[in-house]
Amino acid sequence: NAGVIQTPRHKVTGKGQEATLWCEPISGHSAVFWYRQTIVQGLEFLTYFRNQAPIDDSGMPKERFSAQMPNQSHSTLKIQSTQPQDSAVYLCASSLGGYTEVFFGKGTRLTVV
Amino acid sequence: GDSVTQTEGPVTVSESESLIINCTYSATSIAYPNLFWYVRYPGEGLQLLLKVITAGQKGSSRGFEATYNKETTSFHLQKASVQESDSAVYYCALGTGNTGKLIFGLGTTLQVQP
Repeated sequence: NAGVIQTPRHKVTGKGQEATLWCEPISGHSAVFWYRQTIVQGLEFLTYFRNQAPIDDSGMPKERFSAQMPNQSHSTLKIQSTQPQDSAVYLCASSLGGYTEVFFGKGTRLTVV
Repeated sequence: GDSVTQTEGPVTVSESESLIINCTYSATSIAYPNLFWYVRYPGEGLQLLLKVITAGQKGSSRGFEATYNKETTSFHLQKASVQESDSAVYYCALGTGNTGKLIFGLGTTLQVQP
């Protein structure tokens, strides 16, 4: 079990460019989460899928951010027209759902210059 | 709203000393919150240390323990004798129901000196 895999581990984009972050959840896990971590705000929930369907995107910024889960083996977080304030570590996590343990990936560090 | 507040770091203790990291929560929109401690060791991903689902119960793992106190809305992390290998960042988290969605505190960096 390789755990939750996130790629790339580091990404540098220029202001205004698009960034796509990839997540491969643990096989068999039906719930997938995205979080963002910054020094100031800490770990913030962004969005949640269950069985590939979007369930809760209450933490997603209203503009420029989108997440998809086209199949059960991967999810993407896309940020359009990146801004310096988008610089953060983006964490993907998965679980079997319900009250079961949530497993986190090591994160993608996004730096917008 | 729902939130978690924990001890600001860094916390520095000497090996074999006792440790307490405070955590309090507010769960205004959650009828039966679950409480968690996560840990991130250097170079590794965030991982679950312990969890407690029922108020009044205690969770324990790797020598750490925490009791879910609904009256004081607290979930303090304690260890009687820390080791250098316990140096890590510790996060208290509130589970918002059966979805698995978590609300985290800002994290507490623990540095254990040999």
